[in-house]
Amino acid sequence: QKEVEQNSGPLSVPEGAIASLNCTYSDRGSQSFFWYRQYSGKSPELIMSIYSNGDKEDGRFTAQLNKASQYVSLLIRDSQPSDSATYLCAVTSQGGGNKLTFGTGTQLKVEL
Amino acid sequence: NAGVTQTPKFQVLKTGQSMTLQCAQDMNHNSMYWYRQDPGMGLRLIYYSASEGTTDKGEVPNGYNVSRLNKREFSLRLESAAPSQTSVYFCASQGSNQPQHFGDGTRLSIL
Repeated sequence: QKEVEQNSGPLSVPEGAIASLNCTYSDRGSQSFFWYRQYSGKSPELIMSIYSNGDKEDGRFTAQLNKASQYVSLLIRDSQPSDSATYLCAVTSQGGGNKLTFGTGTQLKVEL
Repeated sequence: NAGVTQTPKFQVLKTGQSMTLQCAQDMNHNSMYWYRQDPGMGLRLIYYSASEGTTDKGEVPNGYNVSRLNKREFSLRLESAAPSQTSVYFCASQGSNQPQHFGDGTRLSIL
């Protein structure tokens, strides 16, 4: 079982819709959770971090964390074509210091 | 505000050649990391350095060596390149209680 799992997609949503990206993780001791966006041929760019249960909002992005169920999600409201990218979920592991374990990413396509 | 700088951006090697990938950060971060990214495999940690003077193996260290030259610089060396090491290599740095920040990557092809 992979430590961090994401649906590879592609996830296609129409422009203006809400895109919902999900991630599950196996280490119950994980403390920090991150969403990175990666455009094709570019490096990962941090868009959200979340450390406690609940929702965290930043502009059109909302990260949701449920440690009991071991999942973290990212909602993108009013999706734009410029949101089309691969979204990587990353999790720190218990006892691993600051090391991150990445999922393989979900490809999002926002269609006009 | 360069952040994390990687050199070179592109490189083509022949099997058996050696080379060093350079990484430097100007954010005074303690921790630095080397990842490789392959299609369908996500980002995999090769080596990391939690602080100046220390290095540790990650998930896929075989065939690589690293040097934490000082707080700013963390290099990755391929002693005898193999086609399986064709990949995109990313360096990242991280401060205390902060997320990781990535460089632009090095695209390496080994023929």
